[in-house]
Amino acid sequence: KNEVEQSPQNLTAQEGEFITINCSYSVGISALHWLQQHPGGGIVSLFMLSSGKKKHGRLIATINIQEKHSSLHITASHPRDSAVYICAVGLGADGLTFGKGTHLIIQP
Amino acid sequence: KAGVTQTPRYLIKTRGQQVTLSCSPISGHRSVSWYQQTPGQGLQFLFEYFSETQRNKGNFPGRFSGRQFSNSRSEMNVSTLELGDSALYLCASSSLPTGTNEQFFGPGTRLTVL
Repeated sequence: KNEVEQSPQNLTAQEGEFITINCSYSVGISALHWLQQHPGGGIVSLFMLSSGKKKHGRLIATINIQEKHSSLHITASHPRDSAVYICAVGLGADGLTFGKGTHLIIQP
Repeated sequence: KAGVTQTPRYLIKTRGQQVTLSCSPISGHRSVSWYQQTPGQGLQFLFEYFSETQRNKGNFPGRFSGRQFSNSRSEMNVSTLELGDSALYLCASSSLPTGTNEQFFGPGTRLTVL
């Protein structure tokens, strides 16, 4: 069974700061997902990675398969980025295994 | 394209009752996965259906079951409800089986068991 660890658990930053959230997993995977959850419960898929790096607007996700590690970066952070960010990993036909999430607060 | 819809959005039940939750995937998506989210355990995988077949199941008791219809709509059922079943139940759809495909989540059904 894959173990997924995220750090930090909680992060408070000022508007404009560069944010990094980390995710480590214990067993080889097919893909890694970064998800965003706002208060109220709705979840949005931000990225799905199996190698390398992806960028979407101010968000960048990277993955190092050999080190079993991924990072989610937010550049020029904004209060609307405040949310819970969740890392999830999948392997083949298995269901996703999730990290506990990182609670991010961006203060104006 | 309409997103994933879940009904009902909120539900209150008492211990011992059973409940059925519904999920309508994005048009054309054949995979539907169900997840349970609680403050203590976080998000946990329940099961996945693809083309009306259950592909895999998470570590949950047999009280949790599901099915998928020919139009890809899915239902999950929880029998003999326990207090610990209080949670946000989310479904997600994708065009291909989960694991290596982007998933699109519904708004969730918040179940409270009294």
